[in-house]
Amino acid sequence: EVQLVESGGGLVKPGGSLGLSCAASRFAFSSYSMNWVRQAPGKGLEWVSFISSSSTYIYYADSVKGRFTISRDYAKNSLYLQMNSLRAEDTAVYYCARGNNWNDVDAIDLWGQGTMVIVSS
Amino acid sequence: QLVLTQSPSASASLGASVKLTCTLSSGHSSYAIAWHQQQPQKGPRYLMKLNSDGSHIKGDGIPDRFSGSSSGAERYLSISSLQSEDEADYYCQTWATGIVLFGAGTKLTVL
Repeated sequence: EVQLVESGGGLVKPGGSLGLSCAASRFAFSSYSMNWVRQAPGKGLEWVSFISSSSTYIYYADSVKGRFTISRDYAKNSLYLQMNSLRAEDTAVYYCARGNNWNDVDAIDLWGQGTMVIVSS
Repeated sequence: QLVLTQSPSASASLGASVKLTCTLSSGHSSYAIAWHQQQPQKGPRYLMKLNSDGSHIKGDGIPDRFSGSSSGAERYLSISSLQSEDEADYYCQTWATGIVLFGAGTKLTVL
């Protein structure tokens, strides 16, 4: 089955760091762009970051720019999100999501099940 | 500024049909969107990519009961023969270079 599986969520103190991972399976990971999308408790979906298939293009939402870093490992078919200087407002379920275009932002056509990040003292 | 507008809620009876709307902001009527479904306590699920001419590409396994259409800046998701499992939040998504945007979502209640 084609799938994305996130891991790495947990409880972290404000100002702390956390790294998320997403394992891709049953599709050509290196041919697809990837995204991170988050959803705060009781709220809607918020796009966080994008990385193109070749890692040439990387974009961030203004709310995380300078604090979060997206990356990917082709040998491990994995996507990552390194989150630094975390704030209470970063509390959310974080979803790994596949993009429909290899080189640019486009429709998201596959979602993971999500991993919860709680930022609290 | 690129913005997507959705009604907060909609309702329809079991077995009936419903049409959800996503409106693109002024000057962006040529943009494609995607529709996503999020059932309670679950992750989102991709339904379809919908172009400005109404053509759409559905995700794997999406029933024929789900269809999309377009008119000007409006993008529609139609669901026929409503079932209880269609009760969910529905989000539209669009994009431009460097950014991905979601509408605030429509909560569909199946009566």
